[in-house]
Amino acid sequence: NAGVTQTPKFRVLKTGQSMTLLCAQDMNHEYMYWYRQDPGMGLRLIHYSVGEGTTAKGEVPDGYNVSRLKKQNFLLGLESAAPSQTSVYFCASSLTGYEQFFGPGTRLTVL
Amino acid sequence: RKEVEQDPGPFNVPEGATVAFNCTYSNSASQSFFWYRQDCRKEPKLLMSVYSSGNEDGRFTAQLNRASQYISLLIRDSKLSDSATYLCVGTTPDDYGQNFVFGPGTRLSVLP
Repeated sequence: NAGVTQTPKFRVLKTGQSMTLLCAQDMNHEYMYWYRQDPGMGLRLIHYSVGEGTTAKGEVPDGYNVSRLKKQNFLLGLESAAPSQTSVYFCASSLTGYEQFFGPGTRLTVL
Repeated sequence: RKEVEQDPGPFNVPEGATVAFNCTYSNSASQSFFWYRQDCRKEPKLLMSVYSSGNEDGRFTAQLNRASQYISLLIRDSKLSDSATYLCVGTTPDDYGQNFVFGPGTRLSVLP
């Protein structure tokens, strides 16, 4: 099992560009999450999903959109990237909504 | 005020030492608590859940004090491999399940 994978691992964008981060899990988990991690701030929840076709906003959803068309995939979109979105993005999944398994992260820089 | 607070450290301890971290939470509705470990430039991994009665896993002991709203993690006989950042996590119920709130982490360096 690959667990939770994230694509891409690194990306540099210019302000105003758009991109999609892909998270995939092969553990048949219902719950999936997108976090961002900034120095001194800890992980902050952007959006999450409790099942295929459902999404909900987390603590810092502005500037991001998500979709969960298939149970195993959770996509995070940035429509118009801003320097404030420079961060490390982690995806996680959970079977029960408690213990979370994280992907390796995507390092995004917005210039 | 952050909902989950931790001393960022770093805690520098010699091998074999006992070290304790505390974490405080402000939301009294918080239900479940966890400690995650994060190595440098890696993803967080679950270390242990924290139960009201306290729980132990080898050299690690976690305690929860709901009255004072804090969680603790005790590491005995520290190993070099324990060097990492330790994240405290609390959950509160929301419309869809549980909302996870992570603390900023406490950095531990175990020195030879």
